[in-house]
Amino acid sequence: QPVLTQSSSASASLGSSVKLTCTLSSGHSNSIIAWHQQQPGKAPRYLMKLEGSGTYNKGSGIPDRFSGSSSGADRYLTISNLQSEDEADYYCETWDSNTRVFGGGTKLTVL
Amino acid sequence: EVQLLESGGGLVQPGGSLRLSCAASGFTFSTYGMGWVRQAPGKGLEWVSSISPSGGNTYYADSVKGRFAVSRDNSKNTLYLQMNSLRADDTAVYYCAKLVPAIGSDCWGQGTLVTVSS
Repeated sequence: QPVLTQSSSASASLGSSVKLTCTLSSGHSNSIIAWHQQQPGKAPRYLMKLEGSGTYNKGSGIPDRFSGSSSGADRYLTISNLQSEDEADYYCETWDSNTRVFGGGTKLTVL
Repeated sequence: EVQLLESGGGLVQPGGSLRLSCAASGFTFSTYGMGWVRQAPGKGLEWVSSISPSGGNTYYADSVKGRFAVSRDNSKNTLYLQMNSLRADDTAVYYCAKLVPAIGSDCWGQGTLVTVSS
C-alpha cells in the first residue's frame, strides 16, 4: 500500500507564501492525492485533489490563495498571501483499491 | 449543503463496545462510499474503515480488523461503526467522511470522541 511522507513542521511570515510537500512512496508516483486543512480544535476540511500531472481541483469555498502542483512523486500545496487563519495542520491523503492512507501532517506556523 | 453529523461517542471500559453513527444530509447518500477516520489526542489522522455505496464491500485498517464493523442504512442516510473489544489505544476523535472516487474525502463530520479507560 502507498505511504505518504510530510515534513512535521513549516513556518512562514504573514503575507508571504509557503509550499508544503507530500511525497508518495515508490511505485505510487502517479497516484492522485487530496490535501486537507485542520485548524486548531476543528475537524479536517477538504482543500483539493491533486493529480500527478499537476492538475488540481479545489473544494467549494477554498480561496484562490491555495494551489497545487506536482513533480514526480512529490505533491505540493502552495499557500500565497498567508493569513493568520492559515495556521493549521495540513494532511495529504491517498488511496488504493482497499485502503486509504494519510501523511503524518505538517504543522504550519504563521509568523 | 452537505452535512455529516457523528454521534455515539463516550467513555467505555477496556474490552467494551460502542456504536457510532453518522447522519448524512445534503447529498444522495446511497451513491457514495463512506469512511471512518480517527485522530488520537495530539496525533495525526488515521484511516479506520471504508464502505462502498451499496454496503456490499467493506475495508478495514489492520489495527481494527476483526474488532470493528462498518455498515450503512441507505434508507436512513446513516453510516455506522460498531466497535468491539475496545482498547486504550482506540481512544480518539472519530470522524466520518464522504468519499468521492479520484477526489478523496471531500466532506468531513465534526467528530465524536471515544475514550477507552477504566
